[in-house]
Amino acid sequence: SQQGEEDPQALSIQEGENATMNCSYKTSINNLQWYRQNSGRGLVHLILIRSNEREKHSGRLRVTLDTSKKSSSLLITASRAADTASYFCATDARETSGSRLTFGEGTQLTVNP
Amino acid sequence: GAVVSQHPSRVICKSGTSVKIECRSLDFQATTMFWYRQFPKKSLMLMATSNEGSKATYEQGVEKDKFLINHASLTLSTLTVTSAHPEDSSFYICRPALSNYGYTFGSGTRLTVV
Repeated sequence: SQQGEEDPQALSIQEGENATMNCSYKTSINNLQWYRQNSGRGLVHLILIRSNEREKHSGRLRVTLDTSKKSSSLLITASRAADTASYFCATDARETSGSRLTFGEGTQLTVNP
Repeated sequence: GAVVSQHPSRVICKSGTSVKIECRSLDFQATTMFWYRQFPKKSLMLMATSNEGSKATYEQGVEKDKFLINHASLTLSTLTVTSAHPEDSSFYICRPALSNYGYTFGSGTRLTVV
């Protein structure tokens, strides 16, 4: 069953603006990941944050994790039209990547040129 | 990094026919493969977990007889949608369980049943 909830479900911004997406989950986790999916395509792994981390950066991406609130946020700075895609969070309850992932409902981001 | 090849990327079939989707690990051995299904504009739902040499484990509500999973070797797992119907139209994605290579997914298969 899906445990992640993301908001907003859809987000439309102008190029250059920042985009923030949120994810909440229900059970204890070992790590949380964010993925990107272009329409009709496969998943691209963006960033992983472990349960003992609070913030992580990768290029224009910034991820935060609040385990007390069971929530995470993904910030994309200086957005580009090419960032238009669906973004999903996924949680992994175990220490290795050999276990199942539980996905959030996703946020559809549209960046207008 | 680990590469998993998923084929076909797109398939259109007639109602009542069966479709086989393959996920092949190219540079590693996968003893476990997760199969996900994604409806349009929805999230990924885990359908089943296949294990090499043993029966697959299906999630609640997934029909075992409709979605046949075979994991006969350490490099190949297949999902067969049997007697497909329009409601089976969906995006199917595989993901190997990798303890050392991070998280990687197949490129997905868009199934359309007409």
